[in-house]
Amino acid sequence: QVTLKESGPALVKPTQTLTLTCTFSGFSLSTSGMRVSWIRQPPGKALEWLARIDWDDDKFYSTSLKTRLTISKDTSKNQVVLTMTNMDPVDTATYYCARTRDGFYFDYWGQGTLVTVSS
Amino acid sequence: QSALTQPASVSGSPGQSITISCTGTSSDVDTYNYVSWYQQHPGKAPKLMIYEVSHRPSGVSNRFSGSKSGNTASLTISGLQAEDEADYYCSSYTGSSWVFGGGTKLTVL
Repeated sequence: QVTLKESGPALVKPTQTLTLTCTFSGFSLSTSGMRVSWIRQPPGKALEWLARIDWDDDKFYSTSLKTRLTISKDTSKNQVVLTMTNMDPVDTATYYCARTRDGFYFDYWGQGTLVTVSS
Repeated sequence: QSALTQPASVSGSPGQSITISCTGTSSDVDTYNYVSWYQQHPGKAPKLMIYEVSHRPSGVSNRFSGSKSGNTASLTISGLQAEDEADYYCSSYTGSSWVFGGGTKLTVL
């Protein structure tokens, strides 16, 4: 059974750095073809893909947010970490992690974690 | 990367069929057969309904089907049921990233 769960602060101040952790089970990121992505959704708005990390440690980022994002993995802990620097109120959103498959789709999603950026 | 274009809302009566369109560009939908569709109920995480244009994951009702022509993908739901009322998002791989549609709210009348 594949599960993913996001964790991190619910509230961050403008200019601070956000660190989110995705803890998963039911698959291994050391298995060829496995990938995990981060996707966010501002309240009442659409989904936005942020970043992806592959089993071989390849990393990909949204062009518009590339300078602010870092994705990493700890295979032994079954965790993927996303950091986003210089947070702004427009970054207020529910952040999801999702397993990403070879056909480039997201087949399992975490429950999401709402992050509010406010002073 | 611009978002894919979806109608803001569609509606239908129980038992009817509806189709949601998703229009992209030559950089995404037209080039890649990696279009997927997600259903999202209020307060819940998205759920994969269709992948690679027309494939259904195990456990998804065969009332859901997908297709693509050129730069426009479509999701069709037949035999509408009350539980189908939700937001639907399309997504396309772009070679190194993903782009999503703006979402379509389906109302079952």
